[in-house]
Amino acid sequence: SYVLTQPPSVSVAPGQTATLTCGGDNIGSRSVHWYQQKPGQAPVLVVYADTDRPSGIPERISGSNSGNTAILTINRVEAGDEADYFCQVWETTSDHRIFGGGTKLTVL
Amino acid sequence: QLQLHESGPGLVKPSETLSLTCTVSGDSIRRSRYSRVWIRQPPGRGLEWMGSISFSGDTYYNPSLKSRATVSLDTSNNQFSLRLTSVTAADTAVYFCATGPPLRGEIQHWGQGTQVTVSS
Repeated sequence: SYVLTQPPSVSVAPGQTATLTCGGDNIGSRSVHWYQQKPGQAPVLVVYADTDRPSGIPERISGSNSGNTAILTINRVEAGDEADYFCQVWETTSDHRIFGGGTKLTVL
Repeated sequence: QLQLHESGPGLVKPSETLSLTCTVSGDSIRRSRYSRVWIRQPPGRGLEWMGSISFSGDTYYNPSLKSRATVSLDTSNNQFSLRLTSVTAADTAVYFCATGPPLRGEIQHWGQGTQVTVSS
């Protein structure tokens, strides 16, 4: 089955840019969604369909997807961005939601 | 505002059946075309899609569960449910119910999650 690969951890200083990657075979041909999960809470959708943001998600969070890598970019990182981030794709015929293993973003 | 709330036992014995219910508010299961989904997260690990049911009642399951899972709708109570048979310690996890828009893959709304521990 399809596999999504995320680095286990990324660290960034406040005010800098965090780049979170999600690798998959020809992932650029798929629609990728991203979730933020803080400890003890449910995930929150932050980007859907590669680049779109739900209402209430700040513009400094953005997504892109091309080739074998999808990217979630968080500009001007804040302490409140510290969380686990999961990428996800959808297998249309089986309705299977496939998640990456997640990346823990640490704000130094 | 669509809200989801999971309920069920926090402790289940090995080999028994786990039953969870998700109560939906702010949306009508009978009329809505949302897909209803169950996702779990073992301690310290990532997210695993378990299964889902469409507005028309079609069901889909993660093959890794080896036919142990059943998802169903209860339109009279505006709920949907998960049954997982023959549980083991590996089924210990936080279980989330969730919904997504029809014919799209993202999960828009999540319940707060419920901890289920499998232990004798």
